[in-house]
Amino acid sequence: KNEVEQSPQNLTAQEGEFITINCSYSVGISALHWLQQHPGGGIVSLFMLSSGKKKHGRLIATINIQEKHSSLHITASHPRDSAVYICAAFSDSGGGADGLTFGKGTHLIIQP
Amino acid sequence: NAGVMQNPRHLVRRRGQEARLRCSPMKGHSHVYWYRQLPEEGLKFMVYLQKENIIDESGMPKERFSAEFPKEGPSILRIQQVVRGDSAAYFCASSPTGNSYGYTFGSGTRLTVV
Repeated sequence: KNEVEQSPQNLTAQEGEFITINCSYSVGISALHWLQQHPGGGIVSLFMLSSGKKKHGRLIATINIQEKHSSLHITASHPRDSAVYICAAFSDSGGGADGLTFGKGTHLIIQP
Repeated sequence: NAGVMQNPRHLVRRRGQEARLRCSPMKGHSHVYWYRQLPEEGLKFMVYLQKENIIDESGMPKERFSAEFPKEGPSILRIQQVVRGDSAAYFCASSPTGNSYGYTFGSGTRLTVV
């Protein structure tokens, strides 16, 4: 069974700082999702990636398949970026209990 | 394309009542997944369905919980005789092929049992 570890669990930073959230997984995967959840809110998929790097606005996600590691970066962070960021690793087992394994999430607070 | 639609967004039930949560997948998606997020905990898999079939229900509690995905209409997660411990956010996701391609989450239903 895949184990997905995120770090840090909690992160408080000042507005404008460069933010990095890390995700490691234990077995091979077909894709990795980065998800965002605001308090009491729904889940928004930020990225799905299986190799390399993706960028969307101030968000950048990278993945290293050999090292089984992914990072989510936020440049010029803003208080509205405050949320829980969750990484989820998708195996090739076709869904179900082993299909998508979630990390516990990183609680990010950006102070003005 | 309206995305994955879940309703209601918020649901309040008294202990012992039934809760019905609905999930309409994206157009063209025939695979649906339900997840539960308990307060202060991460997302946990509950059940994986294709049209008219339950593929994997290993994450579902053995009693009071059931799920279906009929040929027509949304997927339904049904909780009978709700208890306070059922209070959680319930998310569904859908995909067209059962793998990671096109995997999309709904906004969730927040169930509160009073």
